[in-house]
Amino acid sequence: AQSVTQPDIHITVSEGASLELRCNYSYGATPYLFWYVQSPGQGLQLLLKYFSGDTLVQGIKGFEAEFKRSQSSFNLRKPSVHWSDAAEYFCAVRDTGFQKLVFGTGTRLLVSP
Amino acid sequence: DARVTQTPRDKVTEMGQEVTMRCQPILGHNTVFWYRQTMKQGLELLAYFRNRAPLDDSGMPKDRFSAEMPDATLATLKIQPSEPRDSAVYFCASGSGQGEETQYFGPGTRLLVL
Repeated sequence: AQSVTQPDIHITVSEGASLELRCNYSYGATPYLFWYVQSPGQGLQLLLKYFSGDTLVQGIKGFEAEFKRSQSSFNLRKPSVHWSDAAEYFCAVRDTGFQKLVFGTGTRLLVSP
Repeated sequence: DARVTQTPRDKVTEMGQEVTMRCQPILGHNTVFWYRQTMKQGLELLAYFRNRAPLDDSGMPKDRFSAEMPDATLATLKIQPSEPRDSAVYFCASGSGQGEETQYFGPGTRLLVL
């Protein structure tokens, strides 16, 4: 069965600094990968997705993620974090044959002044 | 701006009461998903539908939970009777059901069972 690991429960980054959130997946074939963001009290908003092709994908709000098959990773990055980026970030994998999303446990991002 | 809508946004009820949560998927989407989010379990899939037919409800406690799609614009999740351990945020998501599908989430229903 597919699984997703987000090893960092909390990360604190200074405003303006760069950010990398880690995500590792377990899946036998080529996965469909997603990053979602959840602000307090809100639903999940899609940041970006990877299905195939270019392994570096661009998303909304200045985020990008790189798919590395050899490392089974799909890390999320942003070159300069803004205070409004403080939220919880979820990585997810979807079976190519079925629709179910399997989520990681999430990483809570705190942005310090 | 097409969105998934969910009602109610918040629900407080007493143990043993019936709870009904509603979801309106994005127009034209034919897959609907129900997820539950708790601190302990994180985000977990309860059930999903394609073209109004249930395809997978293995994540749902069958004795008290039921999910239906009376029509293409409405999905419901019912809990009867509710228990304190059902307290969670319940999210509905919809997708186009086509190949490289993306799921779009609603704002969630925050349920508290006392």
